[in-house]
Amino acid sequence: DAGITQSPRYKITETGRQVTLMCHQTWSHSYMFWYRQDLGHGLRLIYYSAAADITDKGEVPDGYVVSRSKTENFPLTLESATRSQTSVYFCASSDQVAFFYNEQFFGPGTRLTVL
Amino acid sequence: ELKVEQNPLFLSMQEGKNYTIYCNYSTTSDRLYWYRQDPGKSLESLFVLLSNGAVKQEGRLMASLDTKARLSTLHITAAVHDLSATYFCAVDYTGNQFYFGTGTSLTVIP
Repeated sequence: DAGITQSPRYKITETGRQVTLMCHQTWSHSYMFWYRQDLGHGLRLIYYSAAADITDKGEVPDGYVVSRSKTENFPLTLESATRSQTSVYFCASSDQVAFFYNEQFFGPGTRLTVL
Repeated sequence: ELKVEQNPLFLSMQEGKNYTIYCNYSTTSDRLYWYRQDPGKSLESLFVLLSNGAVKQEGRLMASLDTKARLSTLHITAAVHDLSATYFCAVDYTGNQFYFGTGTSLTVIP
């Protein structure tokens, strides 16, 4: 199916474990993003990528690692999960057809619980 | 510090009524986006506002942008139950980093 997908949709893990959340888009968008959504905070940017092999930190990057070896994939890894990383994680993508037109399209989200 | 503030945070309104959601932001930008999120779902793009004075309308929703006041509004006309959702504004400061407001949870009561 075309669009942006995330896996898993739900994940329960334990403190200290490594967890990887996957994001895949079929639009060949150059930009991809990872957000976390928490009550009272809206969405906060974790990391973003402008192209394959180009990534940069967002507002809340600590405790997370990203990579982007292929344009269509942008995995997010929690190296050692903590309870404060319990959240809903959204992946998004966008393209720069026009320089200022950067509408982002969001995936369905991954609900992560760290026990 | 970059801030995007929405108010109200919670809004309960009767069907048929009008209301406005406000989005204030702290740093100059002329690119603002509105999204809708249904419970347990992803974000759906509603409006893209790319210049001062921009106004977009879709059905019962109308969004506007005043870059000088650093203010965007989302106006709801004659609300219906299907509009119940959480609405987010997002400001693009740097060309690709969005800063989201905390959201407005709208409940339309029959």
